[in-house]
Amino acid sequence: EVQLVESGGGRVQPGGSLRLSCSVSGFIFSSYWMTWVRQAPGKGLEWVANIKQGGTEKYYADSVRGRFTISRDDAKNSLYLQMNSLRAEDTAIYYCAREYCSGDGCYRFFDHWGQGTLVTVSS
Amino acid sequence: DIVMTQSPDSLAVSLGERATINCKSSRTVLYTSNSYNYLAWYQQKPGQPPNLLIYWASTRESGVPDRFSGSGSGTDFTLTISSLQAEDVAVYYCQQYYTTPWTFGQGTKVEIK
Repeated sequence: EVQLVESGGGRVQPGGSLRLSCSVSGFIFSSYWMTWVRQAPGKGLEWVANIKQGGTEKYYADSVRGRFTISRDDAKNSLYLQMNSLRAEDTAIYYCAREYCSGDGCYRFFDHWGQGTLVTVSS
Repeated sequence: DIVMTQSPDSLAVSLGERATINCKSSRTVLYTSNSYNYLAWYQQKPGQPPNLLIYWASTRESGVPDRFSGSGSGTDFTLTISSLQAEDVAVYYCQQYYTTPWTFGQGTKVEIK
């Protein structure tokens, strides 16, 4: 069974930092692109960042580029999101998700999601 | 960025009746080299993460009931629930994966009338 479990959320003051983790099981982690998607309270979904197998390519939403860093440790089956210079508008549930891969390639939609971890940026 | 606009924002449908949700993209998401529409649909129930329903605009994910269907091409897409069940109460999102940044519609809330 595919499982993704996020951790590391909490309350932080504006300008602070937080590191989210996503531990996965039930699939060959090193074979998949992985992504972070966030959802502000009562709002819609916003893609944040994604990372290729092996970490050789990374992409970011404009809203977080230069402040957030996505990384992975394939030996630990784990995905990370380092969040610096946090702002009130970063308050959201952060989901890690697996991007779809099949025999003919990998595509940027998300077939498995974690339950999410809540990040609150407030003084 | 490709802007995804869903309509309506919410709808109430009687049990057993049809529910139709529309999604319009600001640019085509049809990749002409393979004739695939890079469009997915998700269902999100309260307190849960999103769940993939449909990809390639009309391919149902494994395990998704066949009352859910997707259609459309280019810039205009539709998610149809042919016979609404109580467990279908949720917010539904479309998402384009044609080009970065991967963007979602604002969501459509489906309720029971």
